[in-house]
Amino acid sequence: AQSVSQHNHHVILSEAASLELGCNYSYGGTVNLFWYVQYPGQHLQLLLKYFSGDPLVKGIKGFEAEFIKSKFSFNLRKPSVQWSDTAEYFCAVNAAGGYQKVTFGTGTKLQVIP
Amino acid sequence: NAGVMQNPRHLVRRRGQEARLRCSPMKGHSHVYWYRQLPEEGLKFMVYLQKENIIDESGMPKERFSAEFPKEGPSILRIQQVVRGDSAAYFCASSPSGQRGEKLFFGSGTQLSVL
Repeated sequence: AQSVSQHNHHVILSEAASLELGCNYSYGGTVNLFWYVQYPGQHLQLLLKYFSGDPLVKGIKGFEAEFIKSKFSFNLRKPSVQWSDTAEYFCAVNAAGGYQKVTFGTGTKLQVIP
Repeated sequence: NAGVMQNPRHLVRRRGQEARLRCSPMKGHSHVYWYRQLPEEGLKFMVYLQKENIIDESGMPKERFSAEFPKEGPSILRIQQVVRGDSAAYFCASSPSGQRGEKLFFGSGTQLSVL
């Protein structure tokens, strides 16, 4: 069975600080990986996804994530956060080859202080 | 272009009552997924449905929970004889074809509170 671990439950940063949110997954085969974001009062939306190819994936709003297969990781990064990045971030995995069944991590709440 | 619509946004039930949560997928989407989020936990997969079919219900509790997605109308998640432990946010998502890796479009969720 696939599973996802997000080690940071709550992160507080000042504006312009760099961000890295950890995500590790557990699955023996090929996977698709995602980061979803939930802004306060809004529904979850896709931030970026990895299918294959270049392990460095760029998403919306300046976010990027790097897939490191040997470490089973898919960490989310942003060089300089803004107050508007305050949200909850969810890493997710989907075993490739099957139908769409996405497993989510527990989420990381990011608070950016102006 | 309406997104995924869930109603009600908030639902309060007393122990032993029934809860019905509705989800209308995005136009053109025939695949629906239900997730549950408990406090301090991530989104837990419950069930995956296509029109008139349950494809995967491996995340559904064995008793009291059921889901349907009829040919006409919204998908319904039904919880019979609710207990306090059912209090959670229930999210619905939809996708066009259910293929792996496809983007999920989420609704705003239904917050169920059991008194």
